[in-house]
Amino acid sequence: SYELTLPLSVSVALGQTARITCGGNNIGGKNVHWYQQKPGQAPVLVIYRDNNRPSGIPERFSGSNSGNTATLTISRAQAGDEADYYCQVWDSSTVVFGGGAKLTVL
Amino acid sequence: QVQLQESGPGLVKPSETLSLTCSVSGGSISRYYWSWIRQPAGKGLEWIGRIYTSGSTNYNPSLKSRVTMSVDMSKNQFSLKLTSVTAADTAVYYCATQDPSRSYAFDIWGQGTTVTVSS
Repeated sequence: SYELTLPLSVSVALGQTARITCGGNNIGGKNVHWYQQKPGQAPVLVIYRDNNRPSGIPERFSGSNSGNTATLTISRAQAGDEADYYCQVWDSSTVVFGGGAKLTVL
Repeated sequence: QVQLQESGPGLVKPSETLSLTCSVSGGSISRYYWSWIRQPAGKGLEWIGRIYTSGSTNYNPSLKSRVTMSVDMSKNQFSLKLTSVTAADTAVYYCATQDPSRSYAFDIWGQGTTVTVSS
């Protein structure tokens, strides 16, 4: 089965840029979606199809996808960006989620 | 704007069947795929499966033998049944929908409902 690998945790200084990577075999050939989940809340879609933002998501959130790595980039990180982040793809008609990365804003 | 709301028992006994319903408001259930996703406390997201309004389904292979999903278009609801539950099925269960125009990303989620499996 297809697997997605994220770091368990990522730290970023307030106002700096955070990058969360999602690794998978030839993930560049798939559409990658990213979700933000804050404690006690449902996940929220922040990036779809590699690099597209739903309405209401700040421009500070961006994505890229190539080769074996997809990346979620959060510019000018704010305290409110602290959350768990999940990447997700479709593979063989099933959904695969990465294990989640906890972003800490210092 | 479509909104989703999960409902069902919060406590299920081991070996019994977990049954949940997701009510769709603000839009028609006939337009999209509808999924169930769960999350054990402190752990990541696990997709359970999805159903289209035609009745076609895709299930997570790891749960396929125990999962049944159905849709009731007259009530704008879709449902999940998970049989032979164990403590490992204790989780927050979310219903969610996917937007084909967004490459089937899960763009709308319910708030989630906690199900505990315990005698």
